[in-house]
Amino acid sequence: DGGITQSPKYLFRKEGQNVTLSCEQNLNHDAMYWYRQDPGQGLRLIYYSQIVNDFQKGDIAEGYSVSREKKESFPLTVTSAQKNPTAFYLCASSIGRMNTEAFFGQGTRLTVV
Amino acid sequence: GENVEQHPSTLSVQEGDSAVIKCTYSDSASNYFPWYKQELGKGPQLIIDIRSNVGEKKDQRIAVTLNKTAKHFSLHITETQPEDSAVYFCALREGGGNKLTFGTGTQLKVEL
Repeated sequence: DGGITQSPKYLFRKEGQNVTLSCEQNLNHDAMYWYRQDPGQGLRLIYYSQIVNDFQKGDIAEGYSVSREKKESFPLTVTSAQKNPTAFYLCASSIGRMNTEAFFGQGTRLTVV
Repeated sequence: GENVEQHPSTLSVQEGDSAVIKCTYSDSASNYFPWYKQELGKGPQLIIDIRSNVGEKKDQRIAVTLNKTAKHFSLHITETQPEDSAVYFCALREGGGNKLTFGTGTQLKVEL
């Protein structure tokens, strides 16, 4: 089945550790995105990539890093510099042209203790 | 970046009634307006979208209207059912880019 897969679904880390969230898609989409969702808030854009080997900061990029070495993969690293990392993280992809549907993964809930 | 205001933040309706959620925006270059439904613990799913050259679009019990002059768009759900209970997000794509900007969400509860 075609789709976008995030893993793991739940992730626990100790404060001060870096952690990498996985996002893979087999939709042959050029564009991929990472959003953060906090209770009672909308989705806020962390990073996005419109093509392989290229990515741009979103609205809340501080404390995060990404890479886009392959078309189907867009991992997100939450670094120790992120002050409030506990959140629900959503990855999405789209064909890449304007006005096209974005497909979301099922999310990863990260808890930092 | 673009700011999207979504109202109300919570909405309770009786089964069979209609529900309306409204979003306003400021960038007149915005040209794509999707609505997403998010169930608990899952990722958002697109339920309907509208492009800037259309004023209204319907899909069974769901409709979206767009007023480009007033810069607002609304989601209409008729004959609501318990399974419509979820969080609904409006979004828009700014002109010239691929980024989606989301509203803050509406928690819809359909009561029996």
